Amino acid sequence: DQQVKQNSPSLSVQEGRISILNCDYTNSMFDYFLWYKKYPAEGPTFLISISSIKDKNEDGRFTVFLNKSAKHLSLHIVPSQPGDSAVYFCGGAGGTSYGKLTFGQGTILTVHP
Amino acid sequence: EAGVTQSPTHLIKTRGQQVTLRCSPISGHTSVYWYQQALGLGLQFLLWYDEGEERNRGNFPPRFSGRQFPNYSSELNVNALELEDSALYLCASSFGRYNQPQHFGDGTRLSIL
Repeated sequence: DQQVKQNSPSLSVQEGRISILNCDYTNSMFDYFLWYKKYPAEGPTFLISISSIKDKNEDGRFTVFLNKSAKHLSLHIVPSQPGDSAVYFCGGAGGTSYGKLTFGQGTILTVHP
Repeated sequence: EAGVTQSPTHLIKTRGQQVTLRCSPISGHTSVYWYQQALGLGLQFLLWYDEGEERNRGNFPPRFSGRQFPNYSSELNVNALELEDSALYLCASSFGRYNQPQHFGDGTRLSIL
């Protein structure tokens, strides 16, 4: 039962353009969502989070949008930089799953100079 | 501020052995989480400790156990190691229990021969 899905295994973007990473969830009890990026041989690095009482959260070049009715969230990176090339994971938590982050399978983002 | 630290970074064991992995959280963080990332799979939640108590547990057999010490550091113990236990084990910590981002260490790479 995959409660969080990232349907795009990879995404390729030109430097300076927008990167949009998508994530769908099925557990309606989730009320807190996060995005992480991960470089090889390192642990995931927290990027940005959003609680279900909001539909948008911004932090610098990163914006997360939450559509609760569609059970969908997205991460926008503007402008994209080559250093953003990494694996991006979305995660959700809530209800009886407090403390337990359920992650998607990840999307490999490649930003070309 | 020092991040989450894990030891050892790499470990090689044989089937049937036992292993202990260690984690020191970020100063001031009281919750510690353990995740497993097996090859080709996503991050799977193992355990959550908060204030010395086990608060939540993922779908792993009882031979995966752990504890949290009064200084909030934590150990993950795996008994009767099996080949499929080969994975990256990640520890994360957070300040408080609810709707707080989890910050990850770089993990312990466990290989079972």
